[in-house]
Amino acid sequence: GAGVSQSPRYKVTKRGQDVALRCDPISGHVSLYWYRQALGQGPEFLTYFNYEAQQDKSGLPNDRFSAERPEGSISTLTIQRTEQRDSAMYRCASSPFGVQNEQFFGPGTRLTVL
Amino acid sequence: KNEVEQSPQNLTAQEGEFITINCSYSVGISALHWLQQHPGGGIVSLFMLSSGKKKHGRLIATINIQEKHSSLHITASHPRDSAVYICAVRSGGNQFYFGTGTSLTVIP
Repeated sequence: GAGVSQSPRYKVTKRGQDVALRCDPISGHVSLYWYRQALGQGPEFLTYFNYEAQQDKSGLPNDRFSAERPEGSISTLTIQRTEQRDSAMYRCASSPFGVQNEQFFGPGTRLTVL
Repeated sequence: KNEVEQSPQNLTAQEGEFITINCSYSVGISALHWLQQHPGGGIVSLFMLSSGKKKHGRLIATINIQEKHSSLHITASHPRDSAVYICAVRSGGNQFYFGTGTSLTVIP
C-alpha cells in the first residue's frame, strides 16, 4: 500500500477483554512507532522498533501493554484486561530508518472500552 | 510541567494573514517535528528539524537550539490550513515528547 495502514479502524470492547491492534507500515520502512492520543490531547509516545527489535518501550503505561514486530514489518500492539482509561486513539507511524527521519502516520485505531 | 509547551493554544485568523505558532521545550533534543492534525483526525508530518530553517510551500519552520525554541509560520493563510498543529521532540535520552497542540482556524 501507499501509506501506513491500521486495523481495525474502530474497536469497541468490554472492560477486561484483551485487544490486539495492527499496524502495517510503509513497505521498506525500518522504524515503526506506536502512539496514543486521548481526546483533546496531544499524542503520547508508547514504543518504537527498528526492524524487529523493540528499541524503547518506556512509554508503555503498564505491563498490560505490549508490542511486537516479529518479522520487522507488521506490528501488533496488545492491551490485556482493558480498562476504561485505555480508551483513546492508537496511532502507528513509520519512517525509513531511525528517529532522525520524518514519520508517516497511519489513520489510527479508535479504541473504546465500555 | 510539560517538556514541550506550545503557544497559542487556539488561534483564529483571517484568510491571508501571516501566522506564527511557537514551541518551547525544556529538554536537550536530537530532532523536532511539526505535525498537522486534520479535523478528521489524520496526522501529517510537516517538518523535521535539528537546526536552522526549512521551507515547504507557504510553511516555514525555524529552530533555535540554544534558546530551545521553534516556530512554525504560515504565509498567506487559507481556510484549508485550519487544523491542529503539534510540536514534538525527541530528546537525547530517546524519549518522545509532544505538545498539546495549537488549534488554528482560518476564516474566509
